[in-house]
Amino acid sequence: SAVISQKPSRDICQRGTSLTIQCQVDSQVTMMFWYRQQPGQSLTLIATANQGSEATYESGFVIDKFPISRPNLTFSTLTVSNMSPEDSSIYLCSVETGAAGELFFGEGSRLTVL
Amino acid sequence: LAKTTQPISMDSYEGQEVNITCSHNNIATNDYITWYQQFPSQGPRFIIQGYKTKVTNEVASLFIPADRKSSTLSLPRVSLSDTAVYYCLVGDMRRDDKIIFGKGTRLHILP
Repeated sequence: SAVISQKPSRDICQRGTSLTIQCQVDSQVTMMFWYRQQPGQSLTLIATANQGSEATYESGFVIDKFPISRPNLTFSTLTVSNMSPEDSSIYLCSVETGAAGELFFGEGSRLTVL
Repeated sequence: LAKTTQPISMDSYEGQEVNITCSHNNIATNDYITWYQQFPSQGPRFIIQGYKTKVTNEVASLFIPADRKSSTLSLPRVSLSDTAVYYCLVGDMRRDDKIIFGKGTRLHILP
Protein backbone atom coordinates (compact mmCIF):
# COMPACT_ATOMS: atom_id res chain seq x y z
CA SER A 1 0.00 0.00 0.00
CA ALA A 2 0.96 3.65 -0.10
CA VAL A 3 0.03 6.73 1.87
CA ILE A 4 -0.21 9.87 -0.21
CA SER A 5 -0.32 13.43 1.11
CA GLN A 6 -1.45 16.30 -1.04
CA LYS A 7 -1.10 20.01 -0.40
CA PRO A 8 -3.07 22.20 -0.46
CA SER A 9 -6.25 20.33 0.34
CA ARG A 10 -8.22 23.26 -1.04
CA ASP A 11 -7.64 26.75 -2.31
CA ILE A 12 -9.48 29.66 -3.83
CA CYS A 13 -7.56 31.40 -6.56
CA GLN A 14 -7.93 34.41 -8.76
CA ARG A 15 -8.23 34.14 -12.51
CA GLY A 16 -4.85 34.38 -14.26
CA THR A 17 -2.78 33.13 -11.35
CA SER A 18 -1.02 29.79 -11.01
CA LEU A 19 -1.07 27.23 -8.23
CA THR A 20 1.27 24.35 -7.51
CA ILE A 21 -0.07 21.18 -5.91
CA GLN A 22 2.35 18.94 -4.07
CA CYS A 23 2.13 15.18 -3.75
CA GLN A 24 4.24 13.24 -1.25
CA VAL A 25 4.29 9.44 -1.09
CA ASP A 26 5.52 7.42 1.89
CA SER A 27 7.40 4.97 -0.31
CA GLN A 28 9.39 5.03 -3.52
CA VAL A 29 7.28 4.53 -6.61
CA THR A 30 8.14 4.52 -10.26
CA MET A 31 5.00 5.99 -11.73
CA MET A 32 2.79 8.75 -10.44
CA PHE A 33 -0.42 9.92 -12.05
CA TRP A 34 -2.29 13.18 -11.93
CA TYR A 35 -6.06 13.17 -12.40
CA ARG A 36 -8.70 15.86 -12.53
CA GLN A 37 -12.23 15.33 -11.30
CA GLN A 38 -14.83 17.96 -12.02
CA PRO A 39 -17.95 18.13 -9.85
CA GLY A 40 -20.16 15.08 -10.31
CA GLN A 41 -17.86 13.63 -12.96
CA SER A 42 -15.46 10.74 -13.22
CA LEU A 43 -11.70 11.06 -13.06
CA THR A 44 -9.79 12.28 -16.10
CA LEU A 45 -6.13 11.43 -16.42
CA ILE A 46 -4.00 14.52 -16.97
CA ALA A 47 -0.54 13.00 -17.18
CA THR A 48 1.79 10.24 -16.09
CA ALA A 49 4.98 11.29 -14.31
CA ASN A 50 8.05 9.07 -14.16
CA GLN A 51 11.06 10.08 -12.16
CA GLY A 52 13.86 11.42 -14.32
CA SER A 53 11.85 11.90 -17.48
CA GLU A 54 9.32 14.27 -18.96
CA ALA A 55 5.72 13.71 -18.01
CA THR A 56 3.44 12.12 -20.60
CA TYR A 57 0.28 14.15 -21.14
CA GLU A 58 -3.11 12.89 -22.23
CA SER A 59 -5.05 14.37 -25.09
CA GLY A 60 -6.39 17.78 -24.15
CA PHE A 61 -3.70 18.53 -21.59
CA VAL A 62 -0.46 20.36 -22.37
CA ILE A 63 2.73 20.99 -20.48
CA ASP A 64 2.44 24.78 -20.67
CA LYS A 65 -0.87 24.66 -18.83
CA PHE A 66 -0.07 21.80 -16.43
CA PRO A 67 3.69 21.61 -15.87
CA ILE A 68 4.69 18.65 -13.74
CA SER A 69 7.86 18.01 -11.79
CA ARG A 70 9.08 14.65 -10.54
CA PRO A 71 12.39 15.30 -8.79
CA ASN A 72 12.56 11.96 -6.95
CA LEU A 73 10.71 8.70 -6.37
CA THR A 74 8.51 10.01 -3.56
CA PHE A 75 7.45 13.48 -4.70
CA SER A 76 5.73 15.27 -7.56
CA THR A 77 4.13 18.61 -8.22
CA LEU A 78 1.42 19.70 -10.63
CA THR A 79 1.06 23.37 -11.49
CA VAL A 80 -2.17 24.74 -12.87
CA SER A 81 -1.08 27.80 -14.83
CA ASN A 82 -2.96 30.92 -15.84
CA MET A 83 -6.10 29.64 -14.19
CA SER A 84 -9.63 30.27 -15.37
CA PRO A 85 -12.93 29.29 -13.74
CA GLU A 86 -12.99 26.22 -15.99
CA ASP A 87 -10.00 24.90 -14.04
CA SER A 88 -12.11 24.69 -10.89
CA SER A 89 -11.90 21.04 -10.03
CA ILE A 90 -10.43 18.45 -7.70
CA TYR A 91 -6.90 17.42 -8.63
CA LEU A 92 -5.79 13.98 -7.47
CA CYS A 93 -2.37 12.45 -7.23
CA SER A 94 -2.09 8.68 -7.54
CA VAL A 95 0.52 5.96 -7.52
CA GLU A 96 0.39 2.39 -8.76
CA THR A 97 1.79 -0.21 -6.44
CA GLY A 98 0.98 -3.49 -4.81
CA ALA A 99 0.77 -7.01 -6.14
CA ALA A 100 -2.43 -6.31 -8.05
CA GLY A 101 -1.15 -3.08 -9.54
CA GLU A 102 -3.80 -1.17 -7.69
CA LEU A 103 -3.90 2.60 -7.53
CA PHE A 104 -3.64 4.56 -4.32
CA PHE A 105 -4.89 8.12 -4.23
CA GLY A 106 -4.32 11.22 -2.22
CA GLU A 107 -7.25 13.05 -0.69
CA GLY A 108 -7.26 15.50 -3.56
CA SER A 109 -6.80 19.25 -3.88
CA ARG A 110 -10.02 21.17 -4.42
CA LEU A 111 -9.39 24.23 -6.53
CA THR A 112 -11.87 27.06 -6.97
CA VAL A 113 -11.01 29.78 -9.47
CA LEU A 114 -12.91 33.03 -9.25
CA LEU B 1 -7.70 -0.61 -22.16
CA ALA B 2 -11.09 -2.17 -22.77
CA LYS B 3 -14.07 0.14 -22.56
CA THR B 4 -16.52 -0.52 -19.73
CA THR B 5 -20.23 0.16 -19.37
CA GLN B 6 -21.96 0.40 -16.00
CA PRO B 7 -25.34 1.65 -14.83
CA ILE B 8 -25.18 5.35 -14.06
CA SER B 9 -26.89 4.98 -10.72
CA MET B 10 -28.55 2.46 -8.40
CA ASP B 11 -30.60 2.67 -5.24
CA SER B 12 -30.88 0.01 -2.57
CA TYR B 13 -31.81 -0.37 1.08
CA GLU B 14 -29.77 -1.11 4.13
CA GLY B 15 -29.24 -4.81 4.73
CA GLN B 16 -29.75 -5.74 1.09
CA GLU B 17 -27.24 -7.36 -1.20
CA VAL B 18 -26.26 -5.07 -4.05
CA ASN B 19 -24.99 -6.30 -7.39
CA ILE B 20 -23.41 -3.90 -9.86
CA THR B 21 -22.73 -5.26 -13.31
CA CYS B 22 -20.07 -4.00 -15.68
CA SER B 23 -19.89 -4.84 -19.39
CA HIS B 24 -16.51 -5.11 -21.07
CA ASN B 25 -17.00 -6.82 -24.41
CA ASN B 26 -13.50 -6.03 -25.68
CA ILE B 27 -11.60 -7.43 -22.73
CA ALA B 28 -8.20 -8.79 -23.72
CA THR B 29 -6.62 -12.06 -22.65
CA ASN B 30 -4.20 -10.40 -20.24
CA ASP B 31 -6.72 -7.95 -18.76
CA TYR B 32 -7.80 -8.01 -15.15
CA ILE B 33 -11.03 -6.54 -13.80
CA THR B 34 -10.64 -4.09 -10.94
CA TRP B 35 -13.23 -2.21 -8.93
CA TYR B 36 -12.75 1.02 -7.02
CA GLN B 37 -14.99 2.82 -4.55
CA GLN B 38 -15.07 6.58 -4.14
CA PHE B 39 -16.69 8.48 -1.31
CA PRO B 40 -17.41 12.21 -1.62
CA SER B 41 -14.34 14.37 -1.09
CA GLN B 42 -11.99 11.38 -1.20
CA GLY B 43 -9.86 9.68 -3.80
CA PRO B 44 -10.97 6.29 -5.13
CA ARG B 45 -10.11 3.23 -3.08
CA PHE B 46 -9.28 -0.23 -4.42
CA ILE B 47 -11.97 -2.79 -3.56
CA ILE B 48 -11.29 -5.99 -5.44
CA GLN B 49 -9.64 -7.45 -8.50
CA GLY B 50 -10.19 -10.64 -10.43
CA TYR B 51 -9.38 -12.46 -13.64
CA LYS B 52 -11.99 -15.20 -13.86
CA THR B 53 -14.68 -17.07 -11.88
CA LYS B 54 -15.11 -15.66 -8.40
CA VAL B 55 -13.03 -13.60 -6.02
CA THR B 56 -14.06 -12.73 -2.49
CA ASN B 57 -12.51 -10.53 0.14
CA GLU B 58 -13.69 -8.94 3.37
CA VAL B 59 -15.47 -6.16 1.48
CA ALA B 60 -17.03 -7.66 -1.64
CA SER B 61 -17.25 -10.49 -4.11
CA LEU B 62 -16.51 -10.32 -7.79
CA PHE B 63 -18.21 -12.71 -10.21
CA ILE B 64 -16.76 -13.17 -13.68
CA PRO B 65 -18.44 -15.49 -16.21
CA ALA B 66 -16.45 -17.78 -18.45
CA ASP B 67 -16.46 -15.40 -21.43
CA ARG B 68 -15.23 -12.55 -19.19
CA LYS B 69 -17.26 -10.02 -21.16
CA SER B 70 -18.93 -8.80 -18.02
CA SER B 71 -18.42 -8.85 -14.29
CA THR B 72 -20.57 -8.29 -11.23
CA LEU B 73 -19.50 -6.61 -8.03
CA SER B 74 -21.52 -7.93 -5.12
CA LEU B 75 -21.75 -6.01 -1.85
CA PRO B 76 -23.34 -8.12 0.92
CA ARG B 77 -25.72 -6.49 3.39
CA VAL B 78 -25.02 -2.89 2.50
CA SER B 79 -25.19 -0.05 4.99
CA LEU B 80 -25.62 3.69 4.56
CA SER B 81 -21.85 4.03 4.54
CA ASP B 82 -21.68 2.07 1.28
CA THR B 83 -23.19 5.04 -0.52
CA ALA B 84 -20.46 5.91 -3.01
CA VAL B 85 -19.46 5.79 -6.65
CA TYR B 86 -18.16 2.43 -7.87
CA TYR B 87 -15.82 2.23 -10.85
CA CYS B 88 -15.11 -0.84 -12.95
CA LEU B 89 -11.75 -0.83 -14.73
CA VAL B 90 -10.43 -3.40 -17.16
CA GLY B 91 -6.81 -3.72 -18.18
CA ASP B 92 -3.48 -5.26 -17.38
CA MET B 93 -2.63 -3.02 -14.44
CA ARG B 94 0.78 -4.60 -14.15
CA ARG B 95 1.67 -3.69 -17.71
CA ASP B 96 -0.37 -0.65 -18.71
CA ASP B 97 1.28 2.69 -18.29
CA LYS B 98 -1.96 4.46 -17.41
CA ILE B 99 -5.33 3.69 -15.92
CA ILE B 100 -8.47 5.25 -17.33
CA PHE B 101 -11.67 5.58 -15.32
CA GLY B 102 -15.13 5.22 -16.83
CA LYS B 103 -18.22 7.01 -15.60
CA GLY B 104 -18.86 4.73 -12.64
CA THR B 105 -22.07 3.75 -10.84
CA ARG B 106 -23.48 6.06 -8.20
CA LEU B 107 -24.89 3.80 -5.49
CA HIS B 108 -27.31 5.33 -3.03
CA ILE B 109 -28.27 3.31 0.04
CA LEU B 110 -31.54 4.23 1.67
CA PRO B 111 -32.45 3.60 5.31
